[in-house]
Amino acid sequence: DGGITQSPKYLFRKEGQNVTLSCEQNLNHDAMYWYRQDPGQGLRLIYYSQIVNDFQKGDIAEGYSVSREKKESFPLTVTSAQKNPTAFYLCASSSTGTGGSEQYFGPGTRLTVT
Amino acid sequence: GENVEQHPSTLSVQEGDSAVIKCTYSDSASNYFPWYKQELGKRPQLIIDIRSNVGEKKDQRIAVTLNKTAKHFSLHITETQPEDSAVYFCAALTSGTYKYIFGTGTRLKVLA
Repeated sequence: DGGITQSPKYLFRKEGQNVTLSCEQNLNHDAMYWYRQDPGQGLRLIYYSQIVNDFQKGDIAEGYSVSREKKESFPLTVTSAQKNPTAFYLCASSSTGTGGSEQYFGPGTRLTVT
Repeated sequence: GENVEQHPSTLSVQEGDSAVIKCTYSDSASNYFPWYKQELGKRPQLIIDIRSNVGEKKDQRIAVTLNKTAKHFSLHITETQPEDSAVYFCAALTSGTYKYIFGTGTRLKVLA
């Protein structure tokens, strides 16, 4: 499965609760990403990290937080401040060689908040 | 800011016909252009990519062309088959960054 995993596949939470989505890769990639995808929509970048202990906000970072303490792991926390958290969340990783390289995507986590 | 426009948003073709999806990027420093295919409920997967020093790349029924002057790149699928039905995303990566800018996607339907 491309060496990048996400868990769980489905997640249900009550409104007002924080929830953390897991993303792990064994591809030795420096860069990792979190995207949000709403039904029938494209991929919107939440956060990305080019190297351990460093990360940058993407286009829709409000209400989310991340950490990058290990090269292999890039967990995403959806906080209660995120107004509409129900969505499909995709994690990805890539190498950081010059010239660009393929992003490998995880299988995704479908989060439902009621 | 950086932007990638993708057209059309939906495309229906008869089996065996060709399909073309076009993207336009805004940042002239972009140097890597991947195309991803996403089937319903699945993860996006790379189908072909092109770098800025190449004008065209082909892989069996799939080809990508790049016009750096016009800042356009296109995906061409020939002899379409029902299993080509999916959503296709283009993306652009700016040199020196690690931020991929995605297009909004094209839903391709191949009618048998």
